[in-house]
Amino acid sequence: DAKTTQPNSMESNEEEPVHLPCNHSTISGTDYIHWYRQLPSQGPEYVIHGLTSNVNNRMASLAIAEDRKSSTLILHRATLRDAAVYYCILTDAGGTSYGKLTFGQGTILTVHP
Amino acid sequence: KAGVTQTPRYLIKTRGQQVTLSCSPISGHRSVSWYQQTPGQGLQFLFEYFSETQRNKGNFPGRFSGRQFSNSRSEMNVSTLELGDSALYLCASSGGRDPTNSPLHFGNGTRLTVT
Repeated sequence: DAKTTQPNSMESNEEEPVHLPCNHSTISGTDYIHWYRQLPSQGPEYVIHGLTSNVNNRMASLAIAEDRKSSTLILHRATLRDAAVYYCILTDAGGTSYGKLTFGQGTILTVHP
Repeated sequence: KAGVTQTPRYLIKTRGQQVTLSCSPISGHRSVSWYQQTPGQGLQFLFEYFSETQRNKGNFPGRFSGRQFSNSRSEMNVSTLELGDSALYLCASSGGRDPTNSPLHFGNGTRLTVT
């Protein structure tokens, strides 16, 4: 599996935008970029995923670099409920890694009131 | 739609015993995956089932097994429990045939403590 690198922790203030970076320099052409987050005492929660183009949904935006070697998860207005561990994960669509997400250590996001 | 349901939420077992955990996926989802989460190793993939067939397996000993029923509900079993099996066990379901391109929806897990 291609590896991702994320900062261990980041801090933000409530109602400000948050940009969470992820490096994946060994990404292959068929790898999707997924973001999940895990709030305390809960299972991971899907946030967003994409292949080449930037993606938006009700939770966040995903900005993918042109060379796809990095990406950024954007939370437009952080709330206290966004405090969580954020995981950037690559998956090989069409491969045989069915159901397998390789979680790294993720980024611990702290949101200050 | 109801989310992924895992039962029980908490379980305490003794070394050497066996345990069965249950997972009900989101209605219509046919892919079910299992994960183990510990403070030391983080989240690790156990196995994945689709239409009652195991399609993928992680690097866990044979004491860890699973199955999926025709209604997509899944169970995992751990035999001869060891202290190191204490963990949060998470189940996830996916609506796509290829879950690598479909979101996984996780339950809140079963917390297993082995004493």
